[in-house]
Amino acid sequence: EVQLVESGGGLVKPGGSLRLSCAASGFTFSNAWMRWVRQAPGKGLDWVGLIKSKTDGGTTDYAAPVKGRFTILGDDSKNTLYLQMNSLKTEDTAVYYCTAEASWGFGWGQGTLVTVSS
Amino acid sequence: DIQMTQSPSTLSASVGDRVTITCRASQSISRWLAWYQQNPGTAPKLLIYKASSLETGVPSRFSGSGSGTEFTLTISSLQPDDFATYYCQQYKTYSWTFGQGTKVEIK
Repeated sequence: EVQLVESGGGLVKPGGSLRLSCAASGFTFSNAWMRWVRQAPGKGLDWVGLIKSKTDGGTTDYAAPVKGRFTILGDDSKNTLYLQMNSLKTEDTAVYYCTAEASWGFGWGQGTLVTVSS
Repeated sequence: DIQMTQSPSTLSASVGDRVTITCRASQSISRWLAWYQQNPGTAPKLLIYKASSLETGVPSRFSGSGSGTEFTLTISSLQPDDFATYYCQQYKTYSWTFGQGTKVEIK
């Protein structure tokens, strides 16, 4: 069974940093394209960024609002995805979901809440 | 970016009703479209992928159709568990985009 478990959310002040983790199991992590998707309170779903599988180059890309501030990393040895968030803004407040895409389909985690407030 | 537009934004219906939600893409996405159901405080749940393929375990009252730029999600007979918010999502490009959501409310 595919499982994605996010952690690391919490309250942070504007300008601060936070690192989210996503522990993956039930599939071959190194073969999946991994993404972060976020949902601001009461709003819809927004793609944050992705990291392609190593076999597809392992490259990353980000949505315009977070480019230059967020970094996605994958550790194939730990089956874990990370989202390093720097220079946080109040508009980054959201539930952050980790997602996996592979030949078997899609998987989503349960999400972790990040609140950026002074 | 490919823009996804859902209609309606809110839909009031009764148990047993047939419900249809529409999703339009700003350019052709072939059949690279998924539909999700989301209840408050929970993660989106995949219902349909590749426009019309039913995810394992999803009741057969859910169906999807369409290709190119026009897609529909149909619930043939609305059940109490179906009152939720529904999102379409394109995955033709790796930078996924989502519709703004359709909230299905009790009439």
